[in-house]
Amino acid sequence: DIVMTQSPDSLAVSLGERATINCKSSQSVFYSFKNKNYLAWYQQKPGQPPKLLIYWASTRESGVPDRFSGSGSGTDFTLTISSLQAEDVAVYYCQQYYNTPLTFGPGTKVDIK
Amino acid sequence: QLQLQESGSRLVKPSQTLSLTCAVSGGSISSGPYSWSWIRQSPGKGLEWIGYVYHTGTTYYNPSLNSRVTISLDRSKNQFSLTLSSVTAADTAVYYCARGNGILTFYYFDYWGQGTLVTVSS
Repeated sequence: DIVMTQSPDSLAVSLGERATINCKSSQSVFYSFKNKNYLAWYQQKPGQPPKLLIYWASTRESGVPDRFSGSGSGTDFTLTISSLQAEDVAVYYCQQYYNTPLTFGPGTKVDIK
Repeated sequence: QLQLQESGSRLVKPSQTLSLTCAVSGGSISSGPYSWSWIRQSPGKGLEWIGYVYHTGTTYYNPSLNSRVTISLDRSKNQFSLTLSSVTAADTAVYYCARGNGILTFYYFDYWGQGTLVTVSS
């Protein structure tokens, strides 16, 4: 299985400031044949299902604000919230879909400082 | 707008079988290239992918649950189902159904149901 790890476990950021979440996979999720990284990011608020933010490591889902961006390749990835808003308080998960079983990271909780 | 809604048994006794159904509206489960997954979330194990059924009916299961899981399509009702046998307290979780999008067997999840809490207890 591909093991996903995230850092930090939690972070608190002032409104309007940048939040950075890291995700690391135990093996590369870059598929050279397709030239794509098989990595997605989700946001989960209390009592709600996860919401897709980013797929193919850097493609923003329709309707997701452009303050959310994804970057990285191979085994190391980053989700950046460029200017944190109050509604961004949530837990964020990465997920690899390079191989089955599909696996998720343990989550990073983002709060307001 | 695609919508998914879970239903089924919320309280299951140990050693019995958990059964859930996901009703899909706003789109057909028979149209590709999508897959239809079950994912669960428990405090101890985070998000765990259980398995999916492809629009053709082909299934893929998480090996950690493989021997106990069955996922199937009901095209006439536009829904798909999960059965998990021989449950224990460790199977207590919020169960989500979700649509997989992507390429071939490689899926991220773009639509989710609201989730249903299933408790295993005598």
